[in-house]
Amino acid sequence: DADVTQTPRNRITKTGKRIMLECSQTKGHDRMYWYRQDPGLGLRLIYYSFDVKDINKGEISDGYSVSRQAQAKFSLSLESAIPNQTALYFCATSDFVGAGAYTQYFGPGTRLTVL
Amino acid sequence: GESVGLHLPTLSVQEGDNSIINCAYSNSASDYFIWYKQESGKGPQFIIDIRSNMDKRQGQRVTVLLNKTVKHLSLQIAATQPGDSAVYFCAETTGNTPLVFGKGTRLSVIA
Repeated sequence: DADVTQTPRNRITKTGKRIMLECSQTKGHDRMYWYRQDPGLGLRLIYYSFDVKDINKGEISDGYSVSRQAQAKFSLSLESAIPNQTALYFCATSDFVGAGAYTQYFGPGTRLTVL
Repeated sequence: GESVGLHLPTLSVQEGDNSIINCAYSNSASDYFIWYKQESGKGPQFIIDIRSNMDKRQGQRVTVLLNKTVKHLSLQIAATQPGDSAVYFCAETTGNTPLVFGKGTRLSVIA
């Protein structure tokens, strides 16, 4: 979805490195989310933000941190990457009011490999 | 904790047949449900949604059925096409909480 962009799309890094994944959206949505996807485990929520001043932990926040720099930007950092953080990472956005307010729109994903 | 799950991890159907993908949810407070489609190498895409005050909702070739009594959700795809091959996820929310996703069902369409 071109309205939600993620950079980089692919990244290979080494254990112990600090990594930042970035997400930008042009949908004007207040709410943004970070998920990771592993085979057989579906999408698991890492962090979410309901507005610029709001940050909430999700199901699997350990080892991750986030920053909501602006309404349109939400970045995910791996403080010290480890191999079991190898996964596909998705950013998503949703609106707060109106029809379909709870529908989340996903970016194309970032494939992260930690060696 | 409460979660959304799926009965069948894989489903193979003949092209032209109808597909039914099932999902069980456990949070009785959930009042909004969505089906997503994820093609290889892409992010999940919205297909159809339904609120808890409805039993059925139809879209283009897709129908979602909600049975609140047994906490079951299904996605029906009519006249399945090769382009329908993907992983399908159900998701639920109480409205002010992030979506909770099931583990997904892979649909393979046999030409």
